[in-house]
Amino acid sequence: GDSVTQMEGPVTLSEEAFLTINCTYTATGYPSLFWYVQYPGEGLQLLLKATKADDKGSNKGFEATYRKETTSFHLEKGSVQVSDSAVYFCALSDLGSRGSARQLTFGSGTQLTVLP
Amino acid sequence: DTAVSQTPKYLVTQMGNDKSIKCEQNLGHDTMYWYKQDSKKFLKIMFSYNNKELIINETVPNRFSPKSPDKAHLNLHINSLELGDSAVYFCASRPPGQGSEAFFGQGTRLTVV
Repeated sequence: GDSVTQMEGPVTLSEEAFLTINCTYTATGYPSLFWYVQYPGEGLQLLLKATKADDKGSNKGFEATYRKETTSFHLEKGSVQVSDSAVYFCALSDLGSRGSARQLTFGSGTQLTVLP
Repeated sequence: DTAVSQTPKYLVTQMGNDKSIKCEQNLGHDTMYWYKQDSKKFLKIMFSYNNKELIINETVPNRFSPKSPDKAHLNLHINSLELGDSAVYFCASRPPGQGSEAFFGQGTRLTVV
């Protein structure tokens, strides 16, 4: 079945540092890929997405490129801020075995803490 | 307007009790999910409903049962609560399309004592 493997955390960085959170996936079809972010005490919200190979998703300074050859979707940001402290989830969506069923499978999450 | 709302936000109950968590979405989406998030933040999908039809059931104990009275609601019923059921439960909804965004509720923190 589909699966998402995420870099284990927690990750602690100083403000303005460069961020990379690794994500690789296994899927039988051609999935769409997502990064979701969860701030403390809140639900998940979409950060960015890519729906086909070589697409780059970007939002709020974060970027990720859909790499089919390496089955990866690594999240990057050039200069993190204290307000970026949150849990980040990589996810994929693929057609399930029943065709119309659309599973949304998440990685294990990576806790990011940015220090001032 | 809250797109996906869950009630209650917090639920503390004793072992053996039966409880329900309600979820409503006002986005007109035809797919809704329930996820369980454990203390390590790991998200496990429990159920998915598409147009009131159950699509996914990921080996969840049958003490858990989803109920969808209409397309806008997907409630979660839990019977005979156990300590291991303590977690945060999230409801989400999603429009058609493999690349579509899922919208999450704020979560229900369930504590079984």
